Amino acid sequence: AQRVTQPEKLLSVFKGAPVELKCNYSYSGSPELFWYVQYSRQRLQLLLRHISRESIKGFTADLNKGETSFHLKKPFAQEEDSAMYYCALSYTGTASKLTFGTGTRLQVTL
Amino acid sequence: GAGVSQSPRYKVAKRGQDVALRCDPISGHVSLFWYQQALGQGPEFLTYFQNEAQLDKSGLPSDRFFAERPEGSVSTLKIQRTQQEDSAVYLCASSSRTSVNEQYFGPGTRLTVT
Repeated sequence: AQRVTQPEKLLSVFKGAPVELKCNYSYSGSPELFWYVQYSRQRLQLLLRHISRESIKGFTADLNKGETSFHLKKPFAQEEDSAMYYCALSYTGTASKLTFGTGTRLQVTL
Repeated sequence: GAGVSQSPRYKVAKRGQDVALRCDPISGHVSLFWYQQALGQGPEFLTYFQNEAQLDKSGLPSDRFFAERPEGSVSTLKIQRTQQEDSAVYLCASSSRTSVNEQYFGPGTRLTVT
């Protein structure tokens, strides 16, 4: 069965410090990996997906199939990055359900 | 255009009551998903529609949960004889034919069963 693990419930960093939100997955196949973000009092929204290989708002994530990881990174945290971050996976190609991790709250302080 | 909308935004039900939660997907989106998010957890899949066809209902926790999308647009999630463990945020998401795995979420309905 597919599973997504986010080991940290809360990550607190200072403004300007590097950020790494951890995500590990288990899946027997070729998954598609995503990061979703939920800012305070806003809806869940897609931040980035591994197949697009983009940098969004300074965040990047690389799929490491050997370590089954998809960690989210940003070199310099900003206050506006404070939010709840969810890692998720689905099957590649066809429309299918997302399996989410339990989420990590990122708190960026001055 | 407008994003995914859900109504009501908040619902309080007494245990044993039936509730109906509505989802209006983005116009033209063929895929529609329902998720349940308990406090402190990530969203968990309930069911999936492609147009009016319910292709996957493996996540529905019991036969008290029922979802429909009769005309391939608006969807309703119905919970019969609500229990306290049904208290959660219910999220709806939709995706288009061209970006099938890019799901757009609604604001959710927070259901509290007392």
